[in-house]
Formats: sequence, structure tokens, C-alpha cells
Amino acid sequence: GQNIDQPTEMTATEGAIVQINCTYQTSGFNGLFWYQQHAGEAPTFLSYNVLDGLEEKGRFSSFLSRSKGYSYLLLKELQMKDSASYLCAVLNGGNTPLVFGKGTRLSVIA
Amino acid sequence: DTEVTQTPKHLVMGMTNKKSLKCEQHMGHRAMYWYKQKAKKPPELMFVYSYEKLSINESVPSRFSPECPNSSLLNLHLHALQPEDSALYLCASSQGQGFNEAFFGQGTRLTVV
Repeated sequence: GQNIDQPTEMTATEGAIVQINCTYQTSGFNGLFWYQQHAGEAPTFLSYNVLDGLEEKGRFSSFLSRSKGYSYLLLKELQMKDSASYLCAVLNGGNTPLVFGKGTRLSVIA
Repeated sequence: DTEVTQTPKHLVMGMTNKKSLKCEQHMGHRAMYWYKQKAKKPPELMFVYSYEKLSINESVPSRFSPECPNSSLLNLHLHALQPEDSALYLCASSQGQGFNEAFFGQGTRLTVV
């Protein structure tokens, strides 16, 4: 079976830092993605982790621990435009494509 | 060109209509996907084409019929849909099935009346 868990909603203040967690149990693992999706729009790629550790890209960082089945997305210096849903998605091994978590709706407030 | 282009952007159709959604990419990707997304829910996989062959059908009703005429194009033919089929339909492509990031199109917002 496959299970990907992330919090449903989070609220954070403009300029602050927020961490969105994702835990997964999947039949195989070939990497973990984070996508950002604004309401009514398509998901856009943020990050891809396949090895343990932290990947940094500007204001966004993503961390992976394969042994713990755990990832987080860290957003720094939050801006109002960061208000969106953040989707954690796991690539199973073999021929199965992305399996998405339910997404975390982040609201950035002034 | 790193775009996946979907047309139309919006579609309203009656339950007796036949319509098609189109998806196009010119990145040389050999895997293409259809996802369905309801409001405030994550995308749900419908179909996967790998090297122009249907490789995964996630038990989708036959009123949805996918077609991959060539490596750059993916269609979704719609017939006798129900109002509950109203959703955002997302096309995505990736370099190989199960590898690398998937690029998403902007989606078609479908309303069935």
C-alpha cells in the first residue's frame, strides 16, 4: 500500500519561516518531489530529493530522510504570493508514476 | 521549450456531448499522463502512456477514452459524462516513466452540465 501524510492547513506570517512536513510509506522509492499549486492552476515543480540531506534553492529548501520516510519543505522570508497548496509526491520504484499526498494549504498573513 | 500545452483551457459540456481534451509537448518526453483534480484535493492519476502505449489505466470509467496519436500528443475523449466528472484535468509528461520530474500543463477546467 501507499500512504503519504502531510498537514492539511498551515498559517504563517509574512517574512517568517515555515516548515511543511511529509511522511510516506510506499512500496518502492525512487525520489520525492515537492510541488506548489495556486488555486485553479497546475502544479509547478519545486524540488526533487532522492538522497538523504538538504537541497537548497533560493528561499526554498527540501530535506529527505529515507530511513525515516520523512521529508520537509522549508520556506524562508515568506511572501504573500507563497500562499498556495504544497504537494508532496513520491516516485515509486519501477514503472509507477508520482503518487501525491493530499497537499498542505499554506496561508501567509500580514 | 519546457511547456506542456493543454487545450481548451475551459470547457462546458452537456451530458450527451462528445468532446476532446488535447495535450502537447515538444520536450521529447516519452511518458505522458492524465490526472483529474477536484477542488481542494490532490491530483489523481487516470492514465499513463509510455512510448505511445497505454501502460496504466487506474480503473477509469469508459466514458473517458485516452489516445496517444504520436509521441508529442495526448488526447482525452469524453462522452456521456456526469456532473461529478467536473474537475480540472491535468496533462503531464516526463522523460521516462517513473524518472525525473513531471512537467504539468495548465489544465482544462471542465464543467459538465
